[in-house]
Amino acid sequence: DAGVIQSPRHEVTEMGQEVTLRCKPISGHDYLFWYRQTMMRGLELLIYFNNNVPIDDSGMPEDRFSAKMPNASFSTLKIQPSEPRDSAVYFCASSFGGAAYNEQFFGPGTRLTVL
Amino acid sequence: DQQVKQNSPSLSVQEGRISILNCDYTNSMFDYFLWYKKYPAEGPTFLISISSIKDKNEDGRFTVFLNKSAKHLSLHIVPSQPGDSAVYFCAANRDDKIIFGKGTRLHILP
Repeated sequence: DAGVIQSPRHEVTEMGQEVTLRCKPISGHDYLFWYRQTMMRGLELLIYFNNNVPIDDSGMPEDRFSAKMPNASFSTLKIQPSEPRDSAVYFCASSFGGAAYNEQFFGPGTRLTVL
Repeated sequence: DQQVKQNSPSLSVQEGRISILNCDYTNSMFDYFLWYKKYPAEGPTFLISISSIKDKNEDGRFTVFLNKSAKHLSLHIVPSQPGDSAVYFCAANRDDKIIFGKGTRLHILP
């Protein structure tokens, strides 16, 4: 299995532009998580899906952020408009079963830089 | 409000010695604790976990200790090896969510 796949690996954009991050979870996994890692806040959960349905988006910082999961093999995280403070590494993770007692498998991350 | 706290941003340990990484938490409702390891340019990978009903779990060179009364857990690595140099995240689970600490960067010195 290829593991969790994220694209792009690096994204540099200018303030005000729309950014779309993509994730392909491990086949058969029914949970998908989006995280953001920054120096100040560490690794924080943004949103997670179960069977393609968003369950908890309380970690999404503001309305500029949105996430979708149109099918079991694809999810996107969109930032519109982007701001310099959105610069971070964004991780996607998937698991079979919820976070309770089930290992989450992380993708390599997308490093986003907003100028 | 940090529910999972790793107060040491970094730690340096001599190769062959014991590495001890510490973690404190505030929410007594957490029922499962995990440690993840992260190398540069890679995503975190699961290392070891412990249920709240236990006080110790061991897996090879890695042992996690849980002190519920103190709301504290620690990860022991014995003996430390160069490949252990990485960022270690302490995490706690409640319901379907995992809450991570900010991480501790471990440097294993030759």
